[in-house]
Amino acid sequence: DAGVIQSPRHEVTEMGQEVTLRCKPISGHNSLFWYRQTMMRGLELLIYFNNNVPIDDSGMPEDRFSAKMPNASFSTLKIQPSEPRDSAVYFCASGPGLPPLYSNQPQHFGDGTRLSIL
Amino acid sequence: LAKTTQPISMDSYEGQEVNITCSHNNIATNDYITWYQQFPSQGPRFIIQGYKTKVTNEVASLFIPADRKSSTLSLPRVSLSDTAVYYCLVGDPSGAGSYQLTFGKGTKLSVIP
Repeated sequence: DAGVIQSPRHEVTEMGQEVTLRCKPISGHNSLFWYRQTMMRGLELLIYFNNNVPIDDSGMPEDRFSAKMPNASFSTLKIQPSEPRDSAVYFCASGPGLPPLYSNQPQHFGDGTRLSIL
Repeated sequence: LAKTTQPISMDSYEGQEVNITCSHNNIATNDYITWYQQFPSQGPRFIIQGYKTKVTNEVASLFIPADRKSSTLSLPRVSLSDTAVYYCLVGDPSGAGSYQLTFGKGTKLSVIP
């Protein structure tokens, strides 16, 4: 079975540019999560969706960040304009349920997008 | 703010049993405890999940005391390939209507030949 697929795997761009990260969740999963991982802050939840609807975006750091899920098989995380402090690994995860039901339904992670903003 | 506390790092020799403990004092009644493993350049991978007492699968065991304020991940007879970061995950008990999913800082396990 295909897991969570993220693209690109690596992205290097100059500050001020728009960055779009993409995610294809596991088929049949109805919840989707975007995380950011840095050495300083570890893994942080940015936003999660259930049935394509954003449920909680309180982890999104600034208005420069936005996320969409136009259908059950695709989501994007956009940063505009990008800044050097946005450099991190961004993970997408999907799961078969929504919290609190998630507690018994583990999330499955993609391999991430390593983003470097120069 | 992190809701869990784990040792930052641990070392072990091959073939030994490794126990990693996570503290989660504010765990909610309906929360489960989940452990993930992460290798470099990969996303976290689910290892095991439990609610209370003991859970065992082909990879690990999870021990949870009656008060559920901590949990211990046990890896039997580790090998070099078990070198990774291990995360403890519980639900945020303050998340009424806004369920925050919080990873611990993780424990970096280094297995030595």
